[in-house]
Amino acid sequence: GAVVSQHPSWVICKSGTSVKIECRSLDFQATTMFWYRQFPKQSLMLMATSNEGSKATYEQGVEKDKFLINHASLTLSTLTVTSAHPEDSSFYICSAGTSGRGSSYNEQFFGPGTRLTVL
Amino acid sequence: AQKVTQAQTEISVVEKEDVTLDCVYETRDTTYYLFWYKQPPSGELVFLIRRNSFDEQNEISGRYSWNFQKSTSSFNFTITASQVVDSAVYFCALSGFLYYTGGFKTIFGAGTRLFVKA
Repeated sequence: GAVVSQHPSWVICKSGTSVKIECRSLDFQATTMFWYRQFPKQSLMLMATSNEGSKATYEQGVEKDKFLINHASLTLSTLTVTSAHPEDSSFYICSAGTSGRGSSYNEQFFGPGTRLTVL
Repeated sequence: AQKVTQAQTEISVVEKEDVTLDCVYETRDTTYYLFWYKQPPSGELVFLIRRNSFDEQNEISGRYSWNFQKSTSSFNFTITASQVVDSAVYFCALSGFLYYTGGFKTIFGAGTRLFVKA
């Protein structure tokens, strides 16, 4: 099956710094990428959806200025947590999809996740 | 609105017992997809099954089986003869093409934590 990688797999940073997480589709072109956040013992919550070359669509309650998403190519999307604070500590999971607007099905493949700890 | 409800927060069974994880969904889409994922302690999601809304056939894969009933909007997952390695969090998810956003969204249920004791 299709492979999605995330880098780094874990990161610890000081409060106030920015952290960038990369999501790559290794053997396919992803027209759509999704970013999820998962707090301990909770479900995955969709943060935003991004299509290659266009601005990300953020879910209600997600600050677009704090969580910057760039989907510059069909194989790479990045999530930057700006001025991270302890409450941003979470497990961030990306997924890459193969459909775009008007398609009948979006096959999604999930990355392994990035565990962010903000001290 | 789309919603996935997994009413069982935690289930604890003894090895070799059968266990069923419940999933109830809500959607206004006529075409949608249902999934089950396993999340072991490592955190990486493991895909188990995908079902589209037009295929109500039940499916069996080894010790795993799934019962999809549109009439009750349910997509339940049964593990037969459970094993310790089945201990994980299991998520039911719903994916649909939401015309107002112009794209797909996948919504996850809250998850059911399964403990299988030896």
